[in-house]
Amino acid sequence: GAVVSQHPSWVICKSGTSVKIECRSLDFQATTMFWYRQFPKQSLMLMATSNEGSKATYEQGVEKDKFLINHASLTLSTLTVTSAHPEDSSFYICSARREAYSPLHFGNGTRLTVT
Amino acid sequence: DQQVKQNSPSLSVQEGRISILNCDYTNSMFDYFLWYKKYPAEGPTFLISISSIKDKNEDGRFTVFLNKSAKHLSLHIVPSQPGDSAVYFCAASVQGGSEKLVFGKGTKLTVNP
Repeated sequence: GAVVSQHPSWVICKSGTSVKIECRSLDFQATTMFWYRQFPKQSLMLMATSNEGSKATYEQGVEKDKFLINHASLTLSTLTVTSAHPEDSSFYICSARREAYSPLHFGNGTRLTVT
Repeated sequence: DQQVKQNSPSLSVQEGRISILNCDYTNSMFDYFLWYKKYPAEGPTFLISISSIKDKNEDGRFTVFLNKSAKHLSLHIVPSQPGDSAVYFCAASVQGGSEKLVFGKGTKLTVNP
């Protein structure tokens, strides 16, 4: 069964508004979660590493003020897309490991459409 | 610069035959490799992995082969089934997978009945 739950699965918002995406690890604690983004026919690009109790680590080229990450607990990380624009429309996916050196498990992703 | 490359964007095979998906990498520090399967509008699902200390790992119909000298790995699916039709992503990591994964662009596999 699913080990990582992501919500919502899809969202449509107007340009200029903010959208929050939740990622939960089910029945295990994740000190680290990863947020990926996928454009059509492209690979999954790591956006940031979410660390429980500390600041997220962002990949080069990812605006930390635009993509706010909060890892509030050992089972929940949130990604907030602030002041969304149409170019932010994409598929956002979170992932986590049950334990160190084990494969990443992914949520089902969130399709964001900004109109 | 793409560190993980899947040069075939698509592959079509007949049901019952073998599917071979290929992946090349450039970073010699990668020591942990994974294959994920992805359906549209869903997150990737882990299939199989291999550590650089091995050259083969098998799990049911899925076998991953690693050729470190060529910096190449492949996923074999045999026999292929229509339900295997999906996009397959190759991913790599350093430090035994404890670090972030770097993904290829994926190969869309279609298994025809």
